[in-house]
Amino acid sequence: GAVVSQHPSWVICKSGTSVKIECRSLDFQATTMFWYRQFPKQSLMLMATSNEGSKATYEQGVEKDKFLINHASLTLSTLTVTSAHPEDSSFYICSARGDRGRSSYNEQFFGPGTRLTVL
Amino acid sequence: RKEVEQDPGPFNVPEGATVAFNCTYSNSASQSFFWYRQDCRKEPKLLMSVYSSGNEDGRFTAQLNRASQYISLLIRDSKLSDSATYLCAVNTDKLIFGTGTRLQVFP
Repeated sequence: GAVVSQHPSWVICKSGTSVKIECRSLDFQATTMFWYRQFPKQSLMLMATSNEGSKATYEQGVEKDKFLINHASLTLSTLTVTSAHPEDSSFYICSARGDRGRSSYNEQFFGPGTRLTVL
Repeated sequence: RKEVEQDPGPFNVPEGATVAFNCTYSNSASQSFFWYRQDCRKEPKLLMSVYSSGNEDGRFTAQLNRASQYISLLIRDSKLSDSATYLCAVNTDKLIFGTGTRLQVFP
């Protein structure tokens, strides 16, 4: 399958700081990228959907001013958690979807996730 | 009501057992359906897509019932390595996950 990378894989920061997480599609062009959040023992919750070159669409209850998403190119999307607080500590996972020729259009490929801990 | 619902488990089964997971979804416009496997502290990995005609991949069989809006996954001859959380996912224009069902296979 396609390869999606995330950086960093884990980060620990102080309350009030901002953290940027990168998601890259390494061998295909991702027309759409998705950001999920997963708290311990819970499922993946979709936070937002971003299409290259346009504003992200946020799910209900997700603050767009707190979770800034930029999808500036077909291979890179970034999620910035602004003024992070301990309750933002979670596992953030991106996924990417795009035309890879023979692969299913609907298939999403997941990054390995970023574990954020806010002290 | 959640868009996608699963029994969270855990299911504790001995090696060699057959175990079945069910999942229901609320959006009748859903287009495609999947089962993912997630190991602890890892990203989900696609296990298999689910089709109305039913599909099988080795010990794994998936089924979709559009009329009743549920998806099932059957695992035969469970292995210790099958221990994980199994997530069903439903796609319209975005992929929505169920809460996941934890499976623990013991010797």
